[in-house]
Amino acid sequence: DQQVKQNSPSLSVQEGRISILNCDYTNSMFDYFLWYKKYPAEGPTFLISISSIKDKNEDGRFTVFLNKSAKHLSLHIVPSQPGDSAVYFCAAAQVGGGADGLTFGKGTHLIIQP
Amino acid sequence: DSGVTQTPKHLITATGQRVTLRCSPRSGDLSVYWYQQSLDQGLQFLIQYYNGEERAKGNILERFSAQQFPDLHSELNLSSLELGDSALYFCASSRTSGNNEQFFGPGTRLTVL
Repeated sequence: DQQVKQNSPSLSVQEGRISILNCDYTNSMFDYFLWYKKYPAEGPTFLISISSIKDKNEDGRFTVFLNKSAKHLSLHIVPSQPGDSAVYFCAAAQVGGGADGLTFGKGTHLIIQP
Repeated sequence: DSGVTQTPKHLITATGQRVTLRCSPRSGDLSVYWYQQSLDQGLQFLIQYYNGEERAKGNILERFSAQQFPDLHSELNLSSLELGDSALYFCASSRTSGNNEQFFGPGTRLTVL
């Protein structure tokens, strides 16, 4: 039973355009969401997070949107750059719920085309 | 560089054996988390330690155990290894117990033959 789903295993975007990565979750107890980026042979790198009391959080080229009613979040990267090519993981947590481990989606491989 | 270190980088062993993976958290971080990444399951949370004590358990098998030492480094012990235990094992750390911005190490690739 996957509680965090990234339905697109891969996504190809032209350099300079917007990349939109999507994530859905089923557990309504999740109240904190994160995006991680992973290059081959490296550990995941934290990118950006959002609390359930917000619907948007922005950090430079990265913006995360949260739609609680739809149990959906998305990561926007504008403009997309070649170095953004990586696997992106969506993760969720229930802060203060007694288990601080993150629940991850299976990832979306983003490919930025020159 | 996240500041989290893991050793060894690669480990090859046989079924039935026991191995120990080591993790040093970022300076000042009190929480250590262990995750397993296998091809079909993605990243799965195994266990968390906070300031030396077990804080939360995820999908950790009974054959696996962990501990966190007074200097805050952590070890993950995997015993009676099976072929299906072959995976990447990541350690992550965070400043406090409730802080979910976790910083990951480079991982240990375990191959069980």
